[in-house]
Amino acid sequence: SQQGEEDPQALSIQEGENATMNCSYKTSINNLQWYRQNSGRGLVHLILIRSNEREKHSGRLRVTLDTSKKSSSLLITASRAADTASYFCATEAQGAQKLVFGQGTRLTINP
Amino acid sequence: NAGVTQTPKFQVLKTGQSMTLQCAQDMNHNSMYWYRQDPGMGLRLIYYSASEGTTDKGEVPNGYNVSRLNKREFSLRLESAAPSQTSVYFCASSEVPPGGTVNTEAFFGQGTRLTVV
Repeated sequence: SQQGEEDPQALSIQEGENATMNCSYKTSINNLQWYRQNSGRGLVHLILIRSNEREKHSGRLRVTLDTSKKSSSLLITASRAADTASYFCATEAQGAQKLVFGQGTRLTINP
Repeated sequence: NAGVTQTPKFQVLKTGQSMTLQCAQDMNHNSMYWYRQDPGMGLRLIYYSASEGTTDKGEVPNGYNVSRLNKREFSLRLESAAPSQTSVYFCASSEVPPGGTVNTEAFFGQGTRLTVV
């Protein structure tokens, strides 16, 4: 089974609103990463947060990590139509040099 | 800077045929991965290679073989294709920084859309 599970599976909001996606995972991790995938394209890395970090920012993105709850959230502020995409979390478990993905959240920004 | 290059981009196979998906990266990365993506399933790890000369099974290895030919190239082979292997296949690479043990961000190819009829 997959390590990460995103919630919700789909999210539709109005342009300008904030979008929040959550990711839960099962085992202890080295790091957690978020990726974006536009329809029909490859994945693009957004942000990486290490297991000893609690929050990280990059532009309009804010990622939090709670290792006690084995969960992470991705917040996109002031959303734009161009943010419409699928978003995936991925984890590297401790002791395993492999990256395992969740099922993703499909985000739609309505103009 | 090409990054991760996958060939071919599209392929149609008949059941029972074999083929090899090619992947090459020019970033001198140690780690390489093969994933498949099916609708609603996200990405599932087929095989990965933490370094040249090593390969390990991921979540869904059955029906596939891999070869880490050298540091740049990591190929995925379907010996006898089945309709259940119809999917989009992604190759990715990442690196462990000098002195570290943890991979940094992964870079992805554009994918190979495979249909088995």
